[in-house]
Amino acid sequence: DTGVSQDPRHKITKRGQNVTFRCDPISEHNRLYWYRQTLGQGPEFLTYFQNEAQLEKSRLLSDRFSAERPKGSFSTLEIQRTEQGDSAMYLCASSFPGPYEQYFGPGTRLTVT
Amino acid sequence: GESVGLHLPTLSVQEGDNSIINCAYSNSASDYFIWYKQESGKGPQFIIDIRSNMDKRQGQRVTVLLNKTVKHLSLQIAATQPGDSAVYFCAESRSNAGNMLTFGGGTRLMVKP
Repeated sequence: DTGVSQDPRHKITKRGQNVTFRCDPISEHNRLYWYRQTLGQGPEFLTYFQNEAQLEKSRLLSDRFSAERPKGSFSTLEIQRTEQGDSAMYLCASSFPGPYEQYFGPGTRLTVT
Repeated sequence: GESVGLHLPTLSVQEGDNSIINCAYSNSASDYFIWYKQESGKGPQFIIDIRSNMDKRQGQRVTVLLNKTVKHLSLQIAATQPGDSAVYFCAESRSNAGNMLTFGGGTRLMVKP
């Protein structure tokens, strides 16, 4: 399968714990995007990378959220001190730079209890 | 503020009929538009895209129309099939904003056999 993959697919955690999600983009794509989707809503942009450079991070929801893409391939999204309001689907997408289609992974569904 | 919205939250059609899903956007600087299909528990799936220098683009059984004068986008699905049942999102992006996607709230398409 050469599509975008995400791991884990589901994560249940207790409030206050830290969680980390991984995204593996399509190998030819140097742009990688993170989005969050809550029930009944469209995805909401969080941050994106071009290669290893994080070019936009002002839309990250709070300073508890951070993302990395250290070698310009896979990326991780970390949420520290999780809150119940963080429960959502976290989606990763990749593309070529510019106005091209973004291909989404299956998402990681986070439930904070 | 900037927004991408949809006129109808739910659309119910008979199998074999054509479907039209509408979307409005507010940012005249948007230069790329894209439609996604999302099935329950899955990530958004690319359907078709269109750049702002075009007003129509056709794919297999799908057509996207762009009216920049009234900032309106539509997705037409010909001969709708039960497998088309899903939530459809339109999204817009701007090349001067990293091509991050701004999504609308989605339209649920229900196909009756």
